[in-house]
Amino acid sequence: QQQVKQSPQSLIVQKGGISIINCAYENTAFDYFPWYQQFPGKGPALLIAIRPDVSEKKEGRFTISFNKSAKQFSLHIMDSQPGDSATYFCAARNDMRFGAGTRLTVKP
Amino acid sequence: DAGVTQSPTHLIKTRGQQVTLRCSPKSGHDTVSWYQQALGQGPQFIFQYYEEEERQRGNFPDRFSGHQFPNYSSELNVNALLLGDSALYLCASSLMSDEQFFGPGTRLTVL
Repeated sequence: QQQVKQSPQSLIVQKGGISIINCAYENTAFDYFPWYQQFPGKGPALLIAIRPDVSEKKEGRFTISFNKSAKQFSLHIMDSQPGDSATYFCAARNDMRFGAGTRLTVKP
Repeated sequence: DAGVTQSPTHLIKTRGQQVTLRCSPKSGHDTVSWYQQALGQGPQFIFQYYEEEERQRGNFPDRFSGHQFPNYSSELNVNALLLGDSALYLCASSLMSDEQFFGPGTRLTVL
């Protein structure tokens, strides 16, 4: 069922660094691309989302870059903090398809 | 606003049994979606309910069924439980097809 491929599986970044997570999709019918953050024992929480008519969206330290022709999108977390340590999921909506997740660890 | 609530928090069942999970959507939301999240994996879409009808369905067998009530709350039923059904079951609510808000999930263990 997985039509969204996410990488890397895990990521370790130093405090203050940039975290980059990538996703690729196949279905051109997807019309909405959200990123979710999930802490252990919690449900996913929406971080930021983009629609395919926009190439970039920034909210605070979080930026989505979207390349429609390559069918790829990425999440950039600037000035990463230890509190950002969590699992991040990209998703794409027709029905909602999630990537397999990236476990981010930000070291102090 | 209580957000999306789910019950129970944890559940232990044995193979072959049936289970019912419950979800109350965020206030003002009319659409409920259910997901299965296996350990270490991303959520997998089961189905979505809107106006008490199943609107979309993912690749899950008929053992998985649901219901939405007039107050927009929802139930997920799983019959003939298998060991592989052990997972975190997530409910998400939204207004129409807009941004989804997830509940904390129900952890189901099948022995």
